[in-house]
Amino acid sequence: TQLLEQSPQFLSIQEGENLTVYCNSSSVFSSLQWYRQEPGEGPVLLVTVVTGGEVKKLKRLTFQFGDARKDSSLHITAAQPGDTGLYLCAGPNTGTASKLTFGTGTRLQVTL
Amino acid sequence: DTGVSQNPRHKITKRGQNVTFRCDPISEHNRLYWYRQTLGQGPEFLTYFQNEAQLEKSRLLSDRFSAERPKGSFSTLEIQRTEQGDSAMYLCASSLLGLREKLFFGSGTQLSVL
Repeated sequence: TQLLEQSPQFLSIQEGENLTVYCNSSSVFSSLQWYRQEPGEGPVLLVTVVTGGEVKKLKRLTFQFGDARKDSSLHITAAQPGDTGLYLCAGPNTGTASKLTFGTGTRLQVTL
Repeated sequence: DTGVSQNPRHKITKRGQNVTFRCDPISEHNRLYWYRQTLGQGPEFLTYFQNEAQLEKSRLLSDRFSAERPKGSFSTLEIQRTEQGDSAMYLCASSLLGLREKLFFGSGTQLSVL
């Protein structure tokens, strides 16, 4: 069974601060996805990383896939209240590539 | 394109009752997934369809759960003889089969079993 562990579980920061969220596994993933989920809503895909060592930027968000494709990180620069939400990493299950294994999630709160 | 639609948004039921949820995927998407999410956890895979064929079911899906996608369009998830442990958010997602498959999630149905 492939597991994805995320850290930290909770993060409360003030507007303007930087933060990094981690997603780790003992298994190799062909790709990893990052989602953001707001309360009462479904997850929304932010990015997919595919190549080991890949870095993708989405405005103030920087995503990195580990060289060994076992881990990933999400860095947010100058956080804003609109960044508040549950951040989830997810990877395809090697047994069935069509279904995703989700991480445990990092709940981020950004206050003024 | 109105996205993935799920109904109802909320359902409160008594233990032992049956409930049914509906998911309308994005119209051209041929894959449809059901996930379950409990508070403080990431979504867990339940089952998925490609067109009308149910291709995989998780071991989490007991025999009280059944899902259908009769015409390869909308899907229903039924839970019979609900238990308090079934309380969760039930999420539906759809996608178009391809090299870089992207899942689009609905807003979910929040089930509370009293």
